[in-house]
Amino acid sequence: EAGVAQSPRYKIIEKRQSVAFWCNPISGHATLYWYQQILGQGPKLLIQFQNNGVVDDSQLPKDRFSAERLKGVDSTLKIQPAKLEDSAVYLCASSLDRLTLPFTDTQYFGPGTRLTVL
Amino acid sequence: QQQVKQSPQSLIVQKGGISIINCAYENTAFDYFPWYQQFPGKGPALLIAIRPDVSEKKEGRFTISFNKSAKQFSLHIMDSQPGDSATYFCAATDYNTDKLIFGTGTRLQVFP
Repeated sequence: EAGVAQSPRYKIIEKRQSVAFWCNPISGHATLYWYQQILGQGPKLLIQFQNNGVVDDSQLPKDRFSAERLKGVDSTLKIQPAKLEDSAVYLCASSLDRLTLPFTDTQYFGPGTRLTVL
Repeated sequence: QQQVKQSPQSLIVQKGGISIINCAYENTAFDYFPWYQQFPGKGPALLIAIRPDVSEKKEGRFTISFNKSAKQFSLHIMDSQPGDSATYFCAATDYNTDKLIFGTGTRLQVFP
């Protein structure tokens, strides 16, 4: 079974530039998550999708971050404009279907995109 | 209240020893407690998980001990191996928000 795919793996940009990350979840997984992992900390949820709808985006800085999952499969996360404090690893994860299968809790993570903002 | 506190921040263990990582929480709505293992350059991977209706769960060399009244849970790695060297995160899910809350992580180094 193929895992969660993410690209690019690394990105270096200057502050105020924009950047986009792509995620392809495990086939058949309805729930998709984007996390931000700052060095030395645990992952923090930014946004959760159920198919192509947003379930939770309460911790997404909406003035600069946006995410979409148009066809309920792939997802993109965008930052515009980037700030120094956005330097982190952005992790995408997926799970089967949290809403209709409440005990299917396992989230499968991709390798992440390491973003450095200079 | 949504925090999960994890300790120690780092741990050095000799091969064959026991590694113990502790976590504590406040939110009584948490109903699922997984442990994730993360190697450098990789995403976290589920290692073992427990629900609050049991006090212990063992899978191979890995055991979760859960104390519901103290709101604490811990990961024990028996016969620790150099290949266990990684960062370990405890986490908890709140059934009200469906959100996975991670601890701050423990960097484990196992020396031969």
